[in-house]
Amino acid sequence: QKEVEQDPGPLSVPEGAIVSLNCTYSNSAFQYFMWYRQYSRKGPELLMYTYSSGNKEDGRFTAQVDKSSKYISLFIRDSQPSDSATYLCAMSEAAGNKLTFGGGTRVLVKP
Amino acid sequence: GAGVSQSPRYKVAKRGQDVALRCDPISGHVSLFWYQQALGQGPEFLTYFQNEAQLDKSGLPSDRFFAERPEGSVSTLKIQRTQQEDSAVYLCASSFAPQVPGEQYFGPGTRLTVT
Repeated sequence: QKEVEQDPGPLSVPEGAIVSLNCTYSNSAFQYFMWYRQYSRKGPELLMYTYSSGNKEDGRFTAQVDKSSKYISLFIRDSQPSDSATYLCAMSEAAGNKLTFGGGTRVLVKP
Repeated sequence: GAGVSQSPRYKVAKRGQDVALRCDPISGHVSLFWYQQALGQGPEFLTYFQNEAQLDKSGLPSDRFFAERPEGSVSTLKIQRTQQEDSAVYLCASSFAPQVPGEQYFGPGTRLTVT
């Protein structure tokens, strides 16, 4: 079993809908939690960065971390076709450490 | 802007050939990471440099994989005697400093196909 599990999708939603993504993990030493977006044939791009448990909001994006359940979520409000991409969760045990990624969820936002 | 660059972007190698993949990190970034991303999967850690020192190579899959960063800036990932299972995208990422919370900036990757 992988340290970080993520549903591969694809997740198809109509434009304007809320996209809900999540990951579960098994390593209780993870303290830093990130969400990356990856377009086809591009490198991952950081969307959200969270330390420990709690919520963080940035524009249309909200990240939630529940360390007691080992569960993290990303919500995208008012989704746009340009949000169509693969979303990767990533975690690390300490700041500046190597990242452990989930397998990625492919999201399709249909106009 | 001056992001992380990687070359070549695409590489086709015949099984048994040696390949060298180059990464130019963002200027001044102390930390440099290599990841391997198989098709349809998330990136997996290979190795980590702090300046020129290779501090973690626990993710390198075999002794055919070798990485270096001799002057603490440009890094090269070398794969000897390539095998079909080495086919993947190799991503390089850099960050400002160790133990400092912050983003790892990724390059576009090198797509290696071993035939």
